[in-house]
Amino acid sequence: AQSVTQLGSHVSVSEGALVLLRCNYSSSVPPYLFWYVQYPNQGLQLLLKYTTGATLVKGINGFEAEFKKSETSFHLTKPSAHMSDAAEYFCAVSEENYGGSQGNLIFGKGTKLSVKP
Amino acid sequence: KAGVTQTPRYLIKTRGQQVTLSCSPISGHRSVSWYQQTPGQGLQFLFEYFSETQRNKGNFPGRFSGRQFSNSRSEMNVSTLELGDSALYLCASSPRDRGRWPGHEQYFGPGTRLTVT
Repeated sequence: AQSVTQLGSHVSVSEGALVLLRCNYSSSVPPYLFWYVQYPNQGLQLLLKYTTGATLVKGINGFEAEFKKSETSFHLTKPSAHMSDAAEYFCAVSEENYGGSQGNLIFGKGTKLSVKP
Repeated sequence: KAGVTQTPRYLIKTRGQQVTLSCSPISGHRSVSWYQQTPGQGLQFLFEYFSETQRNKGNFPGRFSGRQFSNSRSEMNVSTLELGDSALYLCASSPRDRGRWPGHEQYFGPGTRLTVT
């Protein structure tokens, strides 16, 4: 069964510092991986996704993530944090389901990112 | 293109009542999924519709139901509300059948915040 673990429910960084949000998944087949961001009182916005091909994926707002199959990880990074990055970040997985009908996302519990001036 | 819209944005109901939430997907999108977000359980999948057919259902009691209309708009209904149903209900649309194309991203609406008293 699929599952997603996000290490650290809260992460705090200084403005300009590296952002690293961790995500590990479990999947019995090659996964599709997503990172979403949620600002207060808003829905989820897609930052980036991995399907196949290049394992380093670039997204919006300067974020990127690297798919590491051997480590079952899909960590999200940004070289320099900005105040506007303060939000909650969710890692999610879905699977190829040969002949089936399951395409729903399984989400991690989320990581709240705080950015200190 | 207009994004996913959800109505109403906020709702207060009393235990035992029923409620209907509405979702209009992005124009041209035929797949609509619903998720429940609570502080304790996080983001959980409710159900997914494609071309008016329920394609997938999460692990929720039968009090939760949904439907999709020919114009792809979707509604979800919760009968006999319980205090634990208080949550943010998110709708997401996708251009393709996620059962066959789970790698396709979903675009989320702002959510309906339901409070049950």
